[in-house]
Amino acid sequence: GQNIDQPTEMTATEGAIVQINCTYQTSGFNGLFWYQQHAGEAPTFLSYNVLDGLEEKGRFSSFLSRSKGYSYLLLKELQMKDSASYLCAVRDLRSNDYKLSFGAGTTVTVRA
Amino acid sequence: DAGVTQSPTHLIKTRGQQVTLRCSPKSGHDTVSWYQQALGQGPQFIFQYYEEEERQRGNFPDRFSGHQFPNYSSELNVNALLLGDSALYLCASSPAGRGSETQYFGPGTRLLVL
Repeated sequence: GQNIDQPTEMTATEGAIVQINCTYQTSGFNGLFWYQQHAGEAPTFLSYNVLDGLEEKGRFSSFLSRSKGYSYLLLKELQMKDSASYLCAVRDLRSNDYKLSFGAGTTVTVRA
Repeated sequence: DAGVTQSPTHLIKTRGQQVTLRCSPKSGHDTVSWYQQALGQGPQFIFQYYEEEERQRGNFPDRFSGHQFPNYSSELNVNALLLGDSALYLCASSPAGRGSETQYFGPGTRLLVL
């Protein structure tokens, strides 16, 4: 299985930048996903990394280093609506493994 | 284009009862996965259905069972409910059946077992 670790909580100020780290251990690797989940709602897809490097999507960017088992999600120009839980999820490379394994999530609180 | 839909949104049951949750995948998707999310935790994989068969299963007891219909919609059944089954149950769909595509989640069913 996978061990996926991410910080429990982070707090930042509106307009600032926050970086959420995620480390994972897996016997194989077939992609890392970031989801955003507002309280009481379903996770919504933010980004997907399968190769090393940085993927940028507007204010959100995600980075992957497969050799280090490490990813981060970078949130820029924080807005109040960015207050949510951010979930890191990994898919295994083994055949017949289709599930996503999630970390416990990082709760980001944006303050005015 | 409707996204993933789930019903009901909320449900209250008592210990020992049985429950059925329903999911309709996003248009064009044929694969459905179910997850259980306890408060303050990440979603935990229950199982995935493709071509009306269970393709992969997580570490959940046999009390958890499912079904997929020819129109790709799916049901999750939980028998002999326990207090610990109280959680948000999420359905996720993905396209093309390969299992390697991005999964999109429905709004979930919040189950409370008393």
